[in-house]
This record gives sequence, C-alpha cells and structure tokens, in this order.
Amino acid sequence: GDSVTQMEGPVTLSEEAFLTINCTYTATGYPSLFWYVQYPGEGLQLLLKATKADDKGSNKGFEATYRKETTSFHLEKGSVQVSDSAVYFCALSDQGTDKLIFGTGTRLQVFP
Amino acid sequence: DTEVTQTPKHLVMGMTNKKSLKCEQHMGHRAMYWYKQKAKKPPELMFVYSYEKLSINESVPSRFSPECPNSSLLNLHLHALQPEDSALYLCASSPERGATDTQYFGPGTRLTVL
Repeated sequence: GDSVTQMEGPVTLSEEAFLTINCTYTATGYPSLFWYVQYPGEGLQLLLKATKADDKGSNKGFEATYRKETTSFHLEKGSVQVSDSAVYFCALSDQGTDKLIFGTGTRLQVFP
Repeated sequence: DTEVTQTPKHLVMGMTNKKSLKCEQHMGHRAMYWYKQKAKKPPELMFVYSYEKLSINESVPSRFSPECPNSSLLNLHLHALQPEDSALYLCASSPERGATDTQYFGPGTRLTVL
C-alpha cells in the first residue's frame, strides 16, 4: 500500500540556519502531497500542498517540490526562526481510498 | 471562516462514564473526519463522513460511536473507554472526500481516561 517515509528527528538548528526535512513516498497513481505542522499542544495546520508532478507548494518561507522521478517532497526553508519549532508531518492522499497517509513526523528544534 | 472548532479542549473521564466530543465547521465542507493521535505518533484515521453518511470506519471499537447530525457538526460519543484510549482526538473537514482536497484540522480534544 501507499506509504510515506520521513527523516528521523529531532532536527536541531540555530536560528537563521537552512532547513531541509526529507520526505519520500511510495504510491500507485498520482497522489497529492502535503506538509502539515503541529505546534506543541495543538492540532495540525496545513503548511503547503502540491497536487501534481513538478508543482511547488510554498507558505511562510517554506517550500516543497513534488518530484515524481525521485518520489520525494522535501521541505525546505532558507532561514528558520525559533517560532518554527514544531513537529512536521509529510502526508499523501491515497487516490484509491482518499485517505491521508502520514509519515511518522519530524521534530524541529530551533535555538536562538 | 476557515476554522474547525472542537470542544471540550480537555476531558478527563472514568471508565464507566459516557461523554461526547464535538466538532464544528462552517466552511460548507461535506466531508468530516475523526482521528486519534497518541504522543509522538502521527494521527490515525478512525471515521470518515461524507454528506453526513458514514463512509469509512477503520475497525474502531464500538465504545467509540460517531454521529453526524448535520453538515456542520460531527460528534464522537464515548462509553466504557479504557486507559489506553487516552490520546488527542482530532477532527478534520474537507470540501469533498477526494484525493486532492485538503483536510483542515481542529485543535483537538485531549482525552484522559482514568
């Protein structure tokens, strides 16, 4: 079945550092891909999405490009802030079942 | 209004209690979802409603009983829960039940079963 693999965390960075969180997927068909962010004690917020190959999702300085050839959707940000500290979930929408399939999540910790 | 609201924010209940979680959205979405999230894990799908009809039940124990009284409201009735049911319960909605439709999540109800 469809699946999402994310890099293990925590990712620890200093403020203003460059961020990459790797996400790869396995799917039949052409899933939509999502990044969600969960701040401590809160629900999930959609960060960005892409619905087809070569689409780039972007929001709040975060970007991710849907790469079909490498089955990847890596999250990047040029300069992280302390307020970006959270858990980031990569997810795909299974075309057969319409279910969201989540990765295990990557905790990001940003220090001043 | 792009918000999904959930009440209560926190709930503590005994194993013999009956309680309900409530979820509401006013975005005109026709699909609504319940998820369960344990600490340091991703959300796990429990139920999906589409046009107020239950379309997916992920083999959830009958002590969890969902209800969709109208297109804006989703309830989760709880009865005879076990301590291992303690978790964050998340509600989500999407315009339709479709692979390209974004799911919007509420803040969750943190449930503790004693």
